[in-house]
Amino acid sequence: QKEVEQDPGPLSVPEGAIVSLNCTYSNSAFQYFMWYRQYSRKGPELLMYTYSSGNKEDGRFTAQVDKSSKYISLFIRDSQPSDSATYLCAMRTGGFKTIFGAGTRLFVKA
Amino acid sequence: EAGVTQFPSHSVIEKGQTVTLRCDPISGHDNLYWYRRVMGKEIKFLLHFVKESKQDESGMPNNRFLAERTGGTYSTLKVQPAELEDSGVYFCASSQGETVPSGNTIYFGEGSWLTVV
Repeated sequence: QKEVEQDPGPLSVPEGAIVSLNCTYSNSAFQYFMWYRQYSRKGPELLMYTYSSGNKEDGRFTAQVDKSSKYISLFIRDSQPSDSATYLCAMRTGGFKTIFGAGTRLFVKA
Repeated sequence: EAGVTQFPSHSVIEKGQTVTLRCDPISGHDNLYWYRRVMGKEIKFLLHFVKESKQDESGMPNNRFLAERTGGTYSTLKVQPAELEDSGVYFCASSQGETVPSGNTIYFGEGSWLTVV
């Protein structure tokens, strides 16, 4: 069983839609939860991180962590074509080794 | 400020040959990481340097892979001899502190795309 499960998609939505991206995990020791965005042929770029459970909002992006369910989410409001990318969830325990999900490919159609 | 730079961006080599990938971290970043993504798989951790010392190399797949970071600046990752299953993209990343959420962000390079034929 993978430590982090993420549906690879692809997910296609119309411009302006609310996008919901999710990951589940099995290691209860994870404390830090990140979302990265990766454009084609580029490196991952950190979008948001959350420590422990709860919500965090940054502009059109909201990250949610539910440690009791081992489930994390990223919501994108008013999605734009420029949001089209691969979104990777990632997690860490107290250390520095980051465990990535497979990534979900998102297409936002104009 | 320059980001994490990697060289070469693309490399095609024959099975059995040697390839050396180079990474220049962001200036002043003590922490340097190597990750790789092989086809259809997740990005996976290979190793972590703090300055010139290997902090964790538990993700290195086998002894055909050798990473160095001379003087705590740039790093190289050598694959010798290369096998077909080594094909993928090798990402280097760097950060100032060690842990999140100390204000530390891990910055990734654009990757070195390796194809072994």
